[in-house]
Amino acid sequence: QQQVKQSPQSLIVQKGGISIINCAYENTAFDYFPWYQQFPGKGPALLIAIRPDVSEKKEGRFTISFNKSAKQFSLHIMDSQPGDSATYFCAASKAIYNQGGKLIFGQGTELSVKP
Amino acid sequence: DGGITQSPKYLFRKEGQNVTLSCEQNLNHDAMYWYRQDPGQGLRLIYYSQIVNDFQKGDIAEGYSVSREKKESFPLTVTSAQKNPTAFYLCASSMTGAFANYGYTFGSGTRLTVV
Repeated sequence: QQQVKQSPQSLIVQKGGISIINCAYENTAFDYFPWYQQFPGKGPALLIAIRPDVSEKKEGRFTISFNKSAKQFSLHIMDSQPGDSATYFCAASKAIYNQGGKLIFGQGTELSVKP
Repeated sequence: DGGITQSPKYLFRKEGQNVTLSCEQNLNHDAMYWYRQDPGQGLRLIYYSQIVNDFQKGDIAEGYSVSREKKESFPLTVTSAQKNPTAFYLCASSMTGAFANYGYTFGSGTRLTVV
């Protein structure tokens, strides 16, 4: 119930293409779904996040699509660039007042964008 | 600038030795977390703390210990009982309560190698 399953494990995309990473969860109490981007040797950084009251959120070339009934959410990177090459993690949490929002992370996707 | 500082960036441990990884934050966050990252295994939670002088075990706490004597600091000790400590260690922090779902801020990590 606490797992977040992420796929694919690795992804190779040509420059200008669309990168799509998918995540699925089981716990219907989750109410916060962020995506993190990690470059080699660095800590993950928050990229974009969504709450279940909306089905899509877009920030620049990055879009989260959220399907509450299917318990799935995905990250789309439009016009992928070599600088987007990184590891991407999806995550989920549920807000419990005064207990923090402990994130459950997916396994990560290593994205490589070829020039 | 506010953020999380992890030190050292690289650390070498001899067999049977305890080592301590430092994590300091000036974000005024209540919650702090330690994760271990191994290739292809995502982020695994070691310990977390949501308030000073209190902490809980995560999924892989065996062989590790922590303390939370100050809000700003959450050091991790890798003890000799941890048989496979070579990994990339990440510290993170977050707000709690009504602001719990604003996501984590990660440090830049410490790479620990057994020699």
